[in-house]
Amino acid sequence: RKEVEQDPGPFNVPEGATVAFNCTYSNSASQSFFWYRQDCRKEPKLLMSVYSSGNEDGRFTAQLNRASQYISLLIRDSKLSDSATYLCVVNPLPGSARQLTFGSGTQLTVLP
Amino acid sequence: GAVVSQHPSRVICKSGTSVKIECRSLDFQATTMFWYRQFPKQSLMLMATSNEGSKATYEQGVEKDKFLINHASLTLSTLTVTSAHPEDSSFYICSARGRWADTQYFGPGTRLTVL
Repeated sequence: RKEVEQDPGPFNVPEGATVAFNCTYSNSASQSFFWYRQDCRKEPKLLMSVYSSGNEDGRFTAQLNRASQYISLLIRDSKLSDSATYLCVVNPLPGSARQLTFGSGTQLTVLP
Repeated sequence: GAVVSQHPSRVICKSGTSVKIECRSLDFQATTMFWYRQFPKQSLMLMATSNEGSKATYEQGVEKDKFLINHASLTLSTLTVTSAHPEDSSFYICSARGRWADTQYFGPGTRLTVL
């Protein structure tokens, strides 16, 4: 079983749609969770951290369910510029230098 | 946010040559730097973790003699791909983390093509 598993995608949605990505992680001791965005042939960039209470940043909402070891990202009113690969990222070992396990990514294409 | 640079951004070399990639943290002290490799349509795979002033820790399956990592200062780490072969062609990305930070900041990546 992979340490971090994501929806395989790809997701092709019309502009203005709401889209949700899911992610599960296998290590119950994981402490930190993130969503990164990676554009084609570019480096990953931090989109948002994910907190137990859930957090929102504009059109983006992230949720964490520790009991189910499940993370989600919701994008509302999607824009063309949201087209990218979204990476679910987990820090499996708190305080350790061996951090950040990446999911394989979910590709999103927002269509005009 | 923190800035991490990588140089060169792209390199094309002949098989058998060595290539050095630099990773610099520009506005913070990076006590830990990570080196990743990403093949087309695949996720990032951690190659090694380096702490300033100590030897790098390599992930299973990554040859330490082929991928030489040096982290001599708090702002610079280098990855040298020795005797590169076409199968080493990939996107190499570094990231850096400060001592108390949980977040890693990524460099823009280096695209290596070995002919």
